[in-house]
Amino acid sequence: GEDVEQSLFLSVREGDSSVINCTYTDSSSTYLYWYKQEPGAGLQLLTYIFSNMDMKQDQRLTVLLNKKDKHLSLRIADTQTGDSAIYFCAERRGTGTASKLTFGTGTRLQVTL
Amino acid sequence: EAEVAQSPRYKITEKSQAVAFWCDPISGHATLYWYRQILGQGPELLVQFQDESVVDDSQLPKDRFSAERLKGVDSTLKIQPAELGDSAMYLCASSSVGGGRRDYEQYFGPGTRLTVT
Repeated sequence: GEDVEQSLFLSVREGDSSVINCTYTDSSSTYLYWYKQEPGAGLQLLTYIFSNMDMKQDQRLTVLLNKKDKHLSLRIADTQTGDSAIYFCAERRGTGTASKLTFGTGTRLQVTL
Repeated sequence: EAEVAQSPRYKITEKSQAVAFWCDPISGHATLYWYRQILGQGPELLVQFQDESVVDDSQLPKDRFSAERLKGVDSTLKIQPAELGDSAMYLCASSSVGGGRRDYEQYFGPGTRLTVT
């Protein structure tokens, strides 16, 4: 199918690690992205991974990519209350100027004290 | 840091009225995108411009929606007439194609929240 799928909701305690999962569809996708959306705001690009990589680490963020299973995950270490938001994964389909992003449904992360 | 600007931030209109949204992309970004985000869902692409030309408008409901980017810089998205089902967040994004590593990364504006009553 065409859908990029994510679980709807995740709740973690402050200081714990969060893992947000995503299943995408297009095996030819070149880049996969994670965006963060706070209430009433636009999307903020958090990080991305190129399709020939298995892992990428960026400060508290770790992205894991399993191309065989078309599975992408975002791990947030030492989760803080400011991390509470909706997280979207997106895959880039196509090439060059014709490339476009297809977004998942979003995972709402709730961080509790 | 350069940002994508959008206005208005909020718009309430009655059904059958016309409404317009404006977007100013990051300076130098040749590609501009309009997305619609229905509450509880991810953004869906409505139209993509490369400079002043439309690259993809396959998901744009052309009977009531129109978009233009006359000088290849800022852009306007119009809905006429608005329907109840058009209530959503309308997001604008831009990206560069300068041949760098960060090409095609999309940077989003704050969005316009449309409510049709």
